[in-house]
Amino acid sequence: AQTVTQSQPEMSVQEAETVTLSCTYDTSESDYYLFWYKQPPSRQMILVIRQEAYKQQNATENRFSVNFQKAAKSFSLKISDSQLGDAAMYFCACTHNFGNEKLTFGTGTRLTIIP
Amino acid sequence: DSGVTQTPKHLITATGQRVTLRCSPRSGDLSVYWYQQSLDQGLQFLIHYYNGEERAKGNILERFSAQQFPDLHSELNLSSLELGDSALYFCASSGLRGYTFGSGTRLTVV
Repeated sequence: AQTVTQSQPEMSVQEAETVTLSCTYDTSESDYYLFWYKQPPSRQMILVIRQEAYKQQNATENRFSVNFQKAAKSFSLKISDSQLGDAAMYFCACTHNFGNEKLTFGTGTRLTIIP
Repeated sequence: DSGVTQTPKHLITATGQRVTLRCSPRSGDLSVYWYQQSLDQGLQFLIHYYNGEERAKGNILERFSAQQFPDLHSELNLSSLELGDSALYFCASSGLRGYTFGSGTRLTVV
């Protein structure tokens, strides 16, 4: 079984600045997948970014990038040039068997953007 | 439209009652997952079905049950409802293209 921990219940950042959200995980498997999901006030779950554990290169999607530290079991999300629309709950998640197994979620970080 | 359809979007019911939540997965996906999200909490995994068969169970109460039908849609049945069952219930489906979430059913037990 895997566990996912997000130690920052709330974060805030000035608009246009950069913020990093932390996530650590624990798993006994050597192959797994990590995700960041965004949940805006609409409550829809939106995939932000995905990382395969076997890939050493950190995933990037426009203003969103991750810092994947496999040995430390750390998977942080960096949001550059923060925008008002980035305000949301952010959840880190993990699965061993992509597409065939449940996602295990952390407890989330609420991100506030200060205009 | 994410491709996963959940109905109804909102449901208000009294304690002790029984409700059924419905989920239609994205076309081509064989797996369906149910999650419960209480107010300002994370998503708690309830149950996973794959092509009609139960694959995994999470912290699902005995008062709750689910099934996946031959057309791959799934239903989550919640009975003897309590105030604490008030939550957002998400369905997600998955396949080779990854995971897709529905927009959820907001259940309020009064």
